Amino acid sequence: GAVVSQHPSRVICKSGTSVKIECRSLDFQATTMFWYRQFPKQSLMLMATSNEGSKATYEQGVEKDKFLINHASLTLSTLTVTSAHPEDSSFYICSAFEVNTGELFFGEGSRLTVL
Amino acid sequence: KNEVEQSPQNLTAQEGEFITINCSYSVGISALHWLQQHPGGGIVSLFMLSSGKKKHGRLIATINIQEKHSSLHITASHPRDSAVYICAVRSVGNQFYFGTGTSLTVIP
Repeated sequence: GAVVSQHPSRVICKSGTSVKIECRSLDFQATTMFWYRQFPKQSLMLMATSNEGSKATYEQGVEKDKFLINHASLTLSTLTVTSAHPEDSSFYICSAFEVNTGELFFGEGSRLTVL
Repeated sequence: KNEVEQSPQNLTAQEGEFITINCSYSVGISALHWLQQHPGGGIVSLFMLSSGKKKHGRLIATINIQEKHSSLHITASHPRDSAVYICAVRSVGNQFYFGTGTSLTVIP
C-alpha cells in the first residue's frame, strides 16, 4: 500500500537554529500534503495545507514565517521551523492525500526538542 | 464551534466489551475517515466512508449522511485496541477537519 515517509523521526536542536522536516510520498504522487502539530495527550492540530507548486495555506494562528513549508515536487514537502525556541518543541506529523483513492496516508511523525 | 465533534473524549473498557465511538460533523463531506494513533505516535487510516457501513475484522464503521453522524464500533475489545481514535472529514472542497480524538484504554 501507499507509504509516507517522514524524516527525521527525532531531532534535538539549540534555540535559535532552524530545523527541516521532510515528508515524502513513496509510491504515489501527492499534490496535497498536510502538516500537523500534536501536543501531549491532544489530537492533531492542522497547521497548513501544502500544495505542489504553490504557496501553502496556513491555518489561523500559525505563523507562516516561523513554519516555512515548501512543496517543490509531487512527492516531497518540507516543513522548516525557523529560529526555533523551546515552545516549538512538539510532535510534528505530515500526511499526503492520494487523489485517485481519496485516502489519507500519514508519516511516522517527527519529535522536535529545542533546548 | 468545531466542524467535527467526537465523543466520548476518554473511554476505559474491560477486555471483551463492545465499544462505540461517535462522530458528528457540520460540513458537507466527500468522505469521512476513522484514524487510529498508537502511543508511539504513528497514525493509520482504519476506514474511509462516504455511505453505509464497512467492516474490517473486529472493527465496524457506519455513517449516516442525512444525520451527519458516524460511529466506530469495536467488538470483543482487546488491550491492543488501546489507542487514540480520530474522526476526520473531507469536505466537498477537499478541506480536512479533525475531531479531538477519543482515547481508548482496554483493561485486561
